[in-house]
Parts: sequence; C-alpha cells; structure tokens
Amino acid sequence: DQQVKQNSPSLSVQEGRISILNCDYTNSMFDYFLWYKKYPAEGPTFLISISSIKDKNEDGRFTVFLNKSAKHLSLHIVPSQPGDSAVYFCAASERDFGNEKLTFGTGTRLTIIP
Amino acid sequence: EAGVAQSPRYKIIEKRQSVAFWCNPISGHATLYWYQQILGQGPKLLIQFQNNGVVDDSQLPKDRFSAERLKGVDSTLKIQPAKLEDSAVYLCASSLVGLWETQYFGPGTRLLVL
Repeated sequence: DQQVKQNSPSLSVQEGRISILNCDYTNSMFDYFLWYKKYPAEGPTFLISISSIKDKNEDGRFTVFLNKSAKHLSLHIVPSQPGDSAVYFCAASERDFGNEKLTFGTGTRLTIIP
Repeated sequence: EAGVAQSPRYKIIEKRQSVAFWCNPISGHATLYWYQQILGQGPKLLIQFQNNGVVDDSQLPKDRFSAERLKGVDSTLKIQPAKLEDSAVYLCASSLVGLWETQYFGPGTRLLVL
C-alpha cells in the first residue's frame, strides 16, 4: 500500500531549464509535505516543505506547489544546475502531536544535462 | 557541527547470521530514527526513540529486529537471524525534540545478505 507515489523513476533536464518533479498521495490525513534530496552514498537531506494550509512555498530556486483536492504536489527547480543531479524523495506526514512519522515516496532520479 | 555518524558503512553476511549497526546522532538531538531503504523504494521508518524510550516501533519486525538506545545517545540496530529480504540500506536520522520535520540523516549502512 504505497501512500506516497512518485511515478517517474527518472527525469533528465537541460541545464538552465526548469525541472518539475511530481508526487501523489492517497492518505487525506497527510497535512505536511517535504522534499528530500539524496546524493549517492549519502543520507537524504531536507530541501523544502509545505503545510497543507498553503498551496505554495518558495526557497530560492526551489518551489513546492500543493494541490490538496488532487492530492498532488510538485517541486520546481529553476534554473536547474548540474549540482541538482540527485534522487529526490517526496515525504508526507499527518499531525500526531509529537509522534509524527514520515512516509516516503520511491524517489525520482534527476539528471541535469550540461 | 558533526553530522549523524553510522558504522559500518558496508556489511556482507550470509542468511541466518546476525548483524548490528551503530548510530551516533547529532549532539543534543533527543529524537533518533532508524529507517530501512530497500533498493528502488523510499526509506521506511523502523523505530523512533525519544531519549532512551521507544516512541514508535510499529513497523519493526520484532521477531528478528531489535534496537536499543541506552543512555539516550548512541543506538544500535540488530538483525538476528538475517534473511535475504533484509538486504537494504539502513539509515539513522536524528532531530531535536518537536522538530520531527527537520531530520538529519546519516550516510547509512548498506547490508547485503547472501
């Protein structure tokens, strides 16, 4: 039962263009969403997050959009840079007052072509 | 600030053998998590500690997996006996109490069970 889905295992984007990574979820109780970035042989690192009370959150080149009615979120990277090549995981959580746990998607491998 | 440390980085064992992984969280982080990441999947939470108490171990296969966090700092995760399907990367993460959304991950231990 995959509650968080990333249907694109891989994505290639030209340097300087926009990268769009997508994530869908099925659990309507999820109210907080995060994106993690992972380089080979390293642990995931937190990138950006969004609460369900918002529909957009921006941090520099990274913007996350949330469409609650569609149970869909996306991560936009503009402009894409070679250092953005990594695996990106979408994660979600529901409020549980100190007992929150993250449910991760399967990841999308992003390759930025110079 | 030192990150989350894990050892060993790689381990190869035969099925039915035992194995243990060690994690040292970031100093001051009272909350510690162990995740299992099977190839092609996202990390899955196995167990969460706050100080030396277990907060959530609902997804830990308790017939073969055990974890402890004596003194509320370092933690060990043990598998006994190992099965082929335990081949995965075992990630340790830590966070400040109440800041579950900002978890810092270690580099992981890659386990191969033959």
